[in-house]
Amino acid sequence: DAGVIQSPRHEVTEMGQEVTLRCKPISGHDYLFWYRQTMMRGLELLIYFNNNVPIDDSGMPEDRFSAKMPNASFSTLKIQPSEPRDSAVYFCASSSRTGAIGYTFGSGTRLTVV
Amino acid sequence: AQSVTQLDSHVSVSEGTPVLLRCNYSSSYSPSLFWYVQHPNKGLQLLLKYTSAATLVKGINGFEAEFKKSETSFHLTKPSAHMSDAAEYFCVVITMDTGRRALTFGSGTRLQVQP
Repeated sequence: DAGVIQSPRHEVTEMGQEVTLRCKPISGHDYLFWYRQTMMRGLELLIYFNNNVPIDDSGMPEDRFSAKMPNASFSTLKIQPSEPRDSAVYFCASSSRTGAIGYTFGSGTRLTVV
Repeated sequence: AQSVTQLDSHVSVSEGTPVLLRCNYSSSYSPSLFWYVQHPNKGLQLLLKYTSAATLVKGINGFEAEFKKSETSFHLTKPSAHMSDAAEYFCVVITMDTGRRALTFGSGTRLQVQP
């Protein structure tokens, strides 16, 4: 299994541009999570999906952020328009129904907004 | 409600000496507890997990953790530190209250290993 796959690994964009981060979860996992990691705030849960349905998006910072999961093998996190304070590492994770094996994280996308 | 507190933001040990990274949790329900490790510029890797089976849990790379309900603790230990253990460690609590999966990360403990 290739694990959770995120793309791109690095993204540098100018303020105001739209950014789309992508995630392919592990096949068969029912849950998908988007996290953001910064020095100031640590790891924050942004949103999570169960069977492609968003369950809790209370961590999404503002309307500029949106996430979708059109099918069981793909999710996107979009920021429009991007701002310098969005610079962070964004992680995607997936887990099975019980979560007993823990969560498998992707390698992350390092986003820099200049 | 649930929370997890990592008592030390930084821990420094000498190579070959024991490691202790402390974690306390609070949870209204029976928790599942995990330790994750993050090496510099890398993703998060699962070290070990507790899910209400044996209270002493063994993980990868010689790490282990003991779940103590009376102390609401889940401290991570290793008998002998190796240089490659230098990384950031996160204690995580997961509960299934109200049927919704809730995942809470601690603030992290950065482990330094001195030669």
